[in-house]
Amino acid sequence: QKEVEQDPGPLSVPEGAIVSLNCTYSNSAFQYFMWYRQYSRKGPELLMYTYSSGNKEDGRFTAQVDKSSKYISLFIRDSQPSDSATYLCASRPRWTGGGNKLTFGTGTQLKVEL
Amino acid sequence: EAGVAQSPRYKIIEKRQSVAFWCNPISGHATLYWYQQILGQGPKLLIQFQNNGVVDDSQLPKDRFSAERLKGVDSTLKIQPAKLEDSAVYLCASSVTPGNTEAFFGQGTRLTVV
Repeated sequence: QKEVEQDPGPLSVPEGAIVSLNCTYSNSAFQYFMWYRQYSRKGPELLMYTYSSGNKEDGRFTAQVDKSSKYISLFIRDSQPSDSATYLCASRPRWTGGGNKLTFGTGTQLKVEL
Repeated sequence: EAGVAQSPRYKIIEKRQSVAFWCNPISGHATLYWYQQILGQGPKLLIQFQNNGVVDDSQLPKDRFSAERLKGVDSTLKIQPAKLEDSAVYLCASSVTPGNTEAFFGQGTRLTVV
């Protein structure tokens, strides 16, 4: 079993739709939960991160973590064609020295159509 | 602020040949990571440096892969000899410290082994 599981999609939505992207994880030590956006032939860029459980909002993006069910979500409101990309969830434990490996999901490919 | 620079962008080699990738992290970033991203998968950490010391190379295939970060700035990742399964995008990332949540990624080097 992979430590972070993510539905690869592809997911196609019309412009203006609310998008829900989800991941599950299995490692109870994970404390930080990130969402990265990766455009084609580009490196990943950090969208937002959450520490432990709870919600975090940044503009049209909301990240949610439910540690009791080990479930990570990213919601995109009023989706735009420019949101078309691959969205990667990633997790890591709290840093206590030494390595600080991010474990990524496989990524969900999103296409927002006009 | 300049981002993480990687070169070359693309490389095609035959199996059993050797190849090297170069990375220049963001100025002042002490932590440098090399990730391997196979098509359709999330990035996987190969090696993490803190300044010029290795703090995690547990997933680096040491029989064929090597990396160094002389003087704690630039880094090179080498594969010798290459196998077909090494075809992937090699991403370099850097962060201020290992505990810093945000790691900035370069655009990657796309390697094709034929």
